[in-house]
Amino acid sequence: NAGVTQTPKFQVLKTGQSMTLQCAQDMNHEYMSWYRQDPGMGLRLIHYSVGAGITDQGEVPNGYNVSRSTTEDFPLRLLSAAPSQTSVYFCASSPRPGNTEAFFGQGTRLTVV
Amino acid sequence: AQSVTQLGSHVSVSEGALVLLRCNYSSSVPPYLFWYVQYPNQGLQLLLKYTTGATLVKGINGFEAEFKKSETSFHLTKPSAHMSDAAEYFCAVKREGGKLIFGQGTELSVKP
Repeated sequence: NAGVTQTPKFQVLKTGQSMTLQCAQDMNHEYMSWYRQDPGMGLRLIHYSVGAGITDQGEVPNGYNVSRSTTEDFPLRLLSAAPSQTSVYFCASSPRPGNTEAFFGQGTRLTVV
Repeated sequence: AQSVTQLGSHVSVSEGALVLLRCNYSSSVPPYLFWYVQYPNQGLQLLLKYTTGATLVKGINGFEAEFKKSETSFHLTKPSAHMSDAAEYFCAVKREGGKLIFGQGTELSVKP
């Protein structure tokens, strides 16, 4: 069972570069989301999607774009990386928005220099 | 708006001692509450969840949590700590639309 797969696991970017963090799930989950994890701040929601073609902003959306063209994939784009975006990024999915648990990927550790 | 507060960013216990990790939430409606565990360099894994019904929830690895509406709390406990319990623990509440909001996390250390 693959579950939620994130690629790459590690990435170093220079300030101003762009990149896409990939997230794919094979559980046919409707709901997907992206979080960033920083020391002492827990996980903060960046963007989320309740289904293909539908996305919305979370707590910290600035500097990030998302799209959801298929149920399986939910990529996160950094258009112009900044050092403040150095963080560990987690993708999660759940069957529906209600009382169901979220399943997390293994994370992408991003460093912007 | 719903939010979550975890008291204590770091908790240290001796092996065999009681583990108590505190979580308080703010919510205007009965919430869905979760505890997740994160081992070093890994993703988050669900320990347990409260939706409705029984207020004492049992999870994996001997952990349990009690939902106390009057205290707006959902503290995580384990009677006897094991070295393998050393990890970071996150309390979370589900908001409208399915958004999962996390507390700041509590790092648990277990001393031999």
